[in-house]
Amino acid sequence: AQKITQTQPGMFVQEKEAVTLDCTYDTSDPSYGLFWYKQPSSGEMIFLIYQGSYDQQNATEGRYSLNFQKARKSANLVISASQLGDSAMYFCAMREGVGSSNTGKLIFGQGTTLQVKP
Amino acid sequence: EAQVTQNPRYLITVTGKKLTVTCSQNMNHEYMSWYRQDPGLGLRQIYYSMNVEVTDKGDVPEGYKVSRKEKRNFPLILESPSPNQTSLYFCASSYLGSYEQYFGPGTRLTVT
Repeated sequence: AQKITQTQPGMFVQEKEAVTLDCTYDTSDPSYGLFWYKQPSSGEMIFLIYQGSYDQQNATEGRYSLNFQKARKSANLVISASQLGDSAMYFCAMREGVGSSNTGKLIFGQGTTLQVKP
Repeated sequence: EAQVTQNPRYLITVTGKKLTVTCSQNMNHEYMSWYRQDPGLGLRQIYYSMNVEVTDKGDVPEGYKVSRKEKRNFPLILESPSPNQTSLYFCASSYLGSYEQYFGPGTRLTVT
């Protein structure tokens, strides 16, 4: 069964340091996408980064990078040079291809709350 | 501006009073979906639609209805809300061939 696991309910990081948020996934579909979303206290879901299962290189978006290890089924988010505004809940999610046997839904982990200390 | 809109953003209601949360997208997306978010559970899919007049249940459909009469709109209907439907609700949309989903701003629903 498809599943996303985030084992860190809460994390602290010092401002300007890097932090890694863990995510492991499980799927039998060879074609899938992995996402990270940020949810600040205001509640909206902000898309951060995407990694396709066939992408050869790790995705990067500014200070965000996704450490994709396909054999280990992990998709950790690395935030470099943390800022106070990075304090939020972070969700890892996976989406399998939309097709006759797939609903195309996003499967979410439980989330990790990140607090950046000044 | 490409966006997904939801209304209302906040709603407090009483048990049993029918309500509808609207969702609209202006990107001509075929796929639309509703999720609910609860603490410790992440987001879970309620219903989804792959096109007009095509809807199906997600993981937690009990107590909800949807309709897709137009491509841009995908309302979520609670015929008889109960306190266990107190949650944060998100609508999302995408092209069928795309992995990325666009999320609405969320609707905070409280049922007393």
